[in-house]
Amino acid sequence: KAGVTQTPRYLIKTRGQQVTLSCSPISGHRSVSWYQQTPGQGLQFLFEYFSETQRNKGNFPGRFSGRQFSNSRSEMNVSTLELGDSALYLCASSMVLAGAGTGELFFGEGSRLTVL
Amino acid sequence: AQTVTQSQPEMSVQEAETVTLSCTYDTSESNYYLFWYKQPPSRQMILVIRQEAYKQQNATENRFSVNFQKAAKSFSLKISDSQLGDTAMYFCAFMSANNLFFGTGTRLTVIP
Repeated sequence: KAGVTQTPRYLIKTRGQQVTLSCSPISGHRSVSWYQQTPGQGLQFLFEYFSETQRNKGNFPGRFSGRQFSNSRSEMNVSTLELGDSALYLCASSMVLAGAGTGELFFGEGSRLTVL
Repeated sequence: AQTVTQSQPEMSVQEAETVTLSCTYDTSESNYYLFWYKQPPSRQMILVIRQEAYKQQNATENRFSVNFQKAAKSFSLKISDSQLGDTAMYFCAFMSANNLFFGTGTRLTVIP
């Protein structure tokens, strides 16, 4: 069974640009969560999608957005990039809502974004 | 608000020795789950161990065990017989009411 796949793995952008990251969950998983990982802040929750609907949202500005498609694949978009957006963006999938089941999330390897 | 604190940014342990990673959390909830996740260098994060708050018995998974002190809101991870493959970032996480909160992580290095 294929794991969670994130693309691209690495990317470099400049301030003011926008970026779209993609996540394909494990087959059969309907929940996709996104996290931002930075050395100082650890993992911070961005949002969770389940059945194409955003079910939960972290404390990030509106520049961060996402969506989920009917096949459960998810994308997140960051507009007007800032230097502080440089981070590893992790996607995680689960069969049910992350808070409804046992809480086990299956993570992808992440997309490392560098903003210059 | 729920918070998770890992006060040890970095730790090291000799191969075959035992190491304990600390985690404390703050919540007013009574029902919740606690987790330890492991993130090896350049590899995916995986679940190491899970503890339900209503269970008094400490969870154990092979060489990994926890010391769950609910009153003290403490959830430490003990790794016995440390192996080189245990070198990784370890994240403590708390889940309640559809939210999963992570600590800032502890970087563990196993020394041969």
